[in-house]
Amino acid sequence: NAGVTQTPKFRVLKTGQSMTLLCAQDMNHEYMYWYRQDPGMGLRLIHYSVGEGTTAKGEVPDGYNVSRLKKQNFLLGLESAAPSQTSVYFCASVRRGGYNEQFFGPGTRLTVL
Amino acid sequence: DAKTTQPTSMDCAEGRAANLPCNHSTISGNEYVYWYRQIHSQGPQYIIHGLKNNETNEMASLIITEDRKSSTLILPHATLRDTAVYYCIVSGGGTSYGKLTFGQGTILTVHP
Repeated sequence: NAGVTQTPKFRVLKTGQSMTLLCAQDMNHEYMYWYRQDPGMGLRLIHYSVGEGTTAKGEVPDGYNVSRLKKQNFLLGLESAAPSQTSVYFCASVRRGGYNEQFFGPGTRLTVL
Repeated sequence: DAKTTQPTSMDCAEGRAANLPCNHSTISGNEYVYWYRQIHSQGPQYIIHGLKNNETNEMASLIITEDRKSSTLILPHATLRDTAVYYCIVSGGGTSYGKLTFGQGTILTVHP
């Protein structure tokens, strides 16, 4: 049982480049989330999904797109990376209907030059 | 979701109890109090949650005041590995879809 995994762990991009971050969970959780965390700050919600094929905007969605084609995977895309998107990105998942014990991945550290 | 207020930082001696306070004066009736912690830039880890009764698990105890406007997380015998940022979060059911709003949390430093 791997829990929540994120790929890649580290990435350096140049301004304007694109990339996709992958989150996978093997707990059959319905809800999945993408957060970003800037230095010295708490986590902020980017986008979330309450089921396969559905996504919704969180607190800071601009510049990001997401897809949930399979229940176990939640993808976060940056179409044209900007230095302001330099951050650590965390994915999380939780079972629908239970209490809100979110399971977090180890994070992806992204630097945009 | 209701806003929470926590001290920026706290210290604790190893082996002693760590008591982390949280104010959530605007909490509504169907909202729970959750505590998470984040150790050295790892992903946050769930600790405990409660609605109105005091709760205890293998990691910690949660004391919620009768009016539910504040709570205290208690780590009964703090160790160096408990050094982390602790987040108090109020989150409700209904259409919240499990969304969590993280503040800046309390940096707990456990000293030898």
